[in-house]
Amino acid sequence: LAKTTQPISMDSYEGQEVNITCSHNNIATNDYITWYQQFPSQGPRFIIQGYKTKVTNEVASLFIPADRKSSTLSLPRVSLSDTAVYYCLVGFRSGGYNKLIFGAGTRLAVHP
Amino acid sequence: DVKVTQSSRYLVKRTGEKVFLECVQDMDHENMFWYRQDPGLGLRLIYFSYDVKMKEKGDIPEGYSVSREKKERFSLILESASTNQTSMYLCASSSRQGTYEQYFGPGTRLTVT
Repeated sequence: LAKTTQPISMDSYEGQEVNITCSHNNIATNDYITWYQQFPSQGPRFIIQGYKTKVTNEVASLFIPADRKSSTLSLPRVSLSDTAVYYCLVGFRSGGYNKLIFGAGTRLAVHP
Repeated sequence: DVKVTQSSRYLVKRTGEKVFLECVQDMDHENMFWYRQDPGLGLRLIYFSYDVKMKEKGDIPEGYSVSREKKERFSLILESASTNQTSMYLCASSSRQGTYEQYFGPGTRLTVT
């Protein structure tokens, strides 16, 4: 069964590191894992994408273990402006193509 | 900078009406997507298109149809709106090489009464 699972919500404080994990047991072998950020009244915005091991850009890091059954989005030293909903997007093999499935989202609240 | 625009931010329609939601992108992207977003369910794919006049069903196509006559424009059609189609509708586009790096519009909040 193609499914992604994320925590519903998380709380943090300014300056802390936040790690959000997405479980995706049946991920397609040839597909990427992608994370998005969404603020209220806006569409989701691409943050980072990876296939395996670790990827880092100017805003986040993405850790993917060897079995690729999960992935962890890491936000270093969060600020109040990182308060948002974070989604993982994963591909699952379905028939002749890869089916894209978003997680239900993790609502991150950053406190002063 | 990629821009994806949607025809309306808010829309109120009556049950049984035919509803058109329009989406336009300006980056010459091959792929375009329509999602609906509901609390606790995340984003669910309704339809996607990987080329002009091409379309594929997503997870929840029932009650919807789509049209892509031009590369930059992707329309979502509710043939006969029902109250359970009250939702936020999001359009996205991506290049063929970067299917997962999708650029989203601001969304249309549709209320069917």
